[in-house]
Amino acid sequence: AQSVTQLDSQVPVFEEAPVELRCNYSSSVSVYLFWYVQYPNQGLQLLLKYLSGSTLVKGINGFEAEFNKSQTSFHLRKPSVHISDTAEYFCAVRKSGGSYIPTFGRGTSLIVHP
Amino acid sequence: EAGVAQSPRYKIIEKRQSVAFWCNPISGHATLYWYQQILGQGPKLLIQFQNNGVVDDSQLPKDRFSAERLKGVDSTLKIQPAKLEDSAVYLCASSLGGEETQYFGPGTRLLVL
Repeated sequence: AQSVTQLDSQVPVFEEAPVELRCNYSSSVSVYLFWYVQYPNQGLQLLLKYLSGSTLVKGINGFEAEFNKSQTSFHLRKPSVHISDTAEYFCAVRKSGGSYIPTFGRGTSLIVHP
Repeated sequence: EAGVAQSPRYKIIEKRQSVAFWCNPISGHATLYWYQQILGQGPKLLIQFQNNGVVDDSQLPKDRFSAERLKGVDSTLKIQPAKLEDSAVYLCASSLGGEETQYFGPGTRLLVL
């Protein structure tokens, strides 16, 4: 089975500052990794995903994440955040290939202050 | 392209009452999922359909929860009778196939009093 740990439940940051949201996973098999964003009262929206290839993945809204197999991490970064990035961010992992259901982390609340 | 539609958006009921949620997936998406998201947690899969067949319902509390996807398009999720711990957001998602990216609806927020 796979598991996901999002190390920070809440990350406060000032507008235009850089941010990193941490995600570590556990799995005995190869995996796909995802970051989703959930704005207030909305469903989840895919930010980016790692399936294979380059370990640096670029997503929407200026976010990127780096897959680190040795550290079993998939941290999300943005060099300069906006007020509109305030939302809940979920890291998810699933077995690679086939039709498998992702396991989601508990989420990190990103709060951007002016 | 229209997204995943869900209704109602909000529902308040008393315990032991029944409730039903509706989901209309993106056109052409064969796979449909229902998730339960309890406050402060990530989504947890309740049931996965491939067309109108159930692929995985291992996490569905079958004594009170039921779901169907007649004709392989729309789906309904029912809770009967509801318990206080069922208070959560119920998310519907769809994908072209089981391996593809899931697209989520806005969710139905259920409060059981």
